[in-house]
This record gives sequence, structure tokens and C-alpha cells, in this order.
Amino acid sequence: AQTVTQSQPEMSVQEAETVTLSCTYDTSESDYYLFWYKQPPSRQMILVIRQEAYKQQNATENRFSVNFQKAAKSFSLKISDSQLGDAAMYFCAHGSGNTGKLIFGQGTTLQVKP
Amino acid sequence: DADVTQTPRNRITKTGKRIMLECSQTKGHDRMYWYRQDPGLGLRLIYYSFDVKDINKGEISDGYSVSRQAQAKFSLSLESAIPNQTALYFCATSDPGQGSSYNEQFFGPGTRLTVL
Repeated sequence: AQTVTQSQPEMSVQEAETVTLSCTYDTSESDYYLFWYKQPPSRQMILVIRQEAYKQQNATENRFSVNFQKAAKSFSLKISDSQLGDAAMYFCAHGSGNTGKLIFGQGTTLQVKP
Repeated sequence: DADVTQTPRNRITKTGKRIMLECSQTKGHDRMYWYRQDPGLGLRLIYYSFDVKDINKGEISDGYSVSRQAQAKFSLSLESAIPNQTALYFCATSDPGQGSSYNEQFFGPGTRLTVL
């Protein structure tokens, strides 16, 4: 069975600074994807970034980037130049390449201080 | 208009009542999913469907049933609601085809359900 663990229930960062959210996972699948989703107070689930497991290159999306360590089964999210609008709950998720099912971590609440 | 819609957005019901949560999508995706979110547990999969005739149980299907009325509609039912089913429920869709959105799930706005 697949599992996803986010060991940081809460994080805080000063506006304009950089923060890294941690995620580890376990999987028996060879074909899988990894995602970071953002959930603001509106509760809408918003995709932040995705990583195909077969790709060695780390994904980047503007101020968001990941550090994907496949052998260590680690998938951390780095947010650069943090903005007040980045404050939200962040979920790491493992996606099955076969069924598309997502297994989520427990979530990390990010506070951004002005 | 939203691509994935859920009704109702909020619902309060009593123990033992039957309740149905509905999900509709205009994305043309074949795959649809129901998740529940609880504080400290993240989102957990209840049921998923690959098409009208292909429905599968997820991690936590006990106490729930689903119906895929059409490609665009996927309903979740609680036959006899109990308080520990109080949660935020999400519907999602995905496209198994190739392309930049491959395997990405698109979520509805969620339904906040409270069982008293």
C-alpha cells in the first residue's frame, strides 16, 4: 500500500523569505506521480506542482519548486519569495499511474507573516 | 462556470437520515472520485469510478454507496448518517489520456457535512 507522510503540521515564514515543506512517501508502484496541492481558507483544492516519477529533473512552477529524491522517497516543496497569498494548508499526494487514485499526506498549515 | 460542481455546499443532518451528495462535471473526464477530508488526516478516498459500469471501493467505503448516473454525474450516498461521518467531502475528476494534465485531478468546491 502507498503511504504519504508530512511531518510538519505547521510552518511559518516571513514574507519574501523562502520556506521548504517536507514530504516522504512509500510506494510499491513503478508508475506514479507526486503532487502538491494548496487549500486556502476557501477550501478549494488547487494544484501547485506535479512531478512524474520517471523524470529526474525537478519540477518548477514560478516561485514553487520541488526537490525529488526518488531513492529516498522524498518530495519536498520549496516556496521562494513567500507572499501573503501563499498562506494555506498544503497537501502532498501520491498518484497511481494506473488508477489515478491519490493518497494524501496529513497536510501542513503554512502561515506567512508580514 | 465551474468545471466540477458539488451540491449541496453545506448540509446539516441528523443521525440515521439518508443523505445524497451530488457531483457534476463538464470536463468530459471518464474518471471520477469521492474523498473525505478530516483534520489531521488529509483526504481519503471513498469510491472511484472509471466509467458508468466500473465502480470501485477506496480506502474507507464502509457506510457509503455511490451511483454513476452518467459520465458527468457521480453521487455519494450515506444510507444512515452517523456523527463520525461529519467531514468535508470532495469530488474530483481526472483524464487518463496523455497530455499536460495527465493524471491530474480536478476538484469540486467541497461539501461540508455535519451529522448531529
